[in-house]
Amino acid sequence: GQQVMQIPQYQHVQEGEDFTTYCNSSTTLSNIQWYKQRPGGHPVFLIQLVKSGEVKKQKRLTFQFGEAKKNSSLHITATQTTDVGTYFCAGRTTSGTYKYIFGTGTRLKVLA
Amino acid sequence: GAVVSQHPSRVICKSGTSVKIECRSLDFQATTMFWYRQFPKQSLMLMATSNEGSKATYEQGVEKDKFLINHASLTLSTLTVTSAHPEDSSFYICSATGQVGDQPQHFGDGTRLSIL
Repeated sequence: GQQVMQIPQYQHVQEGEDFTTYCNSSTTLSNIQWYKQRPGGHPVFLIQLVKSGEVKKQKRLTFQFGEAKKNSSLHITATQTTDVGTYFCAGRTTSGTYKYIFGTGTRLKVLA
Repeated sequence: GAVVSQHPSRVICKSGTSVKIECRSLDFQATTMFWYRQFPKQSLMLMATSNEGSKATYEQGVEKDKFLINHASLTLSTLTVTSAHPEDSSFYICSATGQVGDQPQHFGDGTRLSIL
């Protein structure tokens, strides 16, 4: 079945350092969403990417959708302690069914 | 806006008990609701997709007779874990979208189910 992998699985960074998580799908995606889940919390929607090669920015966060619509990345510039959490990508299949497959997630820890 | 309420937040019960979990969209009409299962420090595994007024679509490997889903209205979906056993212990979380198509998912706070 379809798989969505993320690397790295864990990342510890010093506050102020940059962070990137990569999302790779085994199949072409219709679109991709990114979520953040704080420890003990529920996933919170960050952004959605639809177009091939699309790049979107939210303050210190930069999201990119690959040309082939099979991969995506999230880059955080100058991390802060509030960035701590697990970042998930979720890819929508190109089949007729409306559903999203969540990536394996990247857990970020920021050391002050 | 876009608040999803999930109850109960935690359930501890004996093996063989059936447990019902409710997922409500409080300030919008949820055309589609998704039910996920999340193991500790792992990703969200989609169990089923539920559309109001129709039967849920279950993912491969998810027993529909074990995990009964009802989406009777545009604001409420329920997941019933029937005759729960210890291996059903997990974190169950629902999400809802307001319109058909590519919309953000709004998640409930999840239900931690522990079967003794």
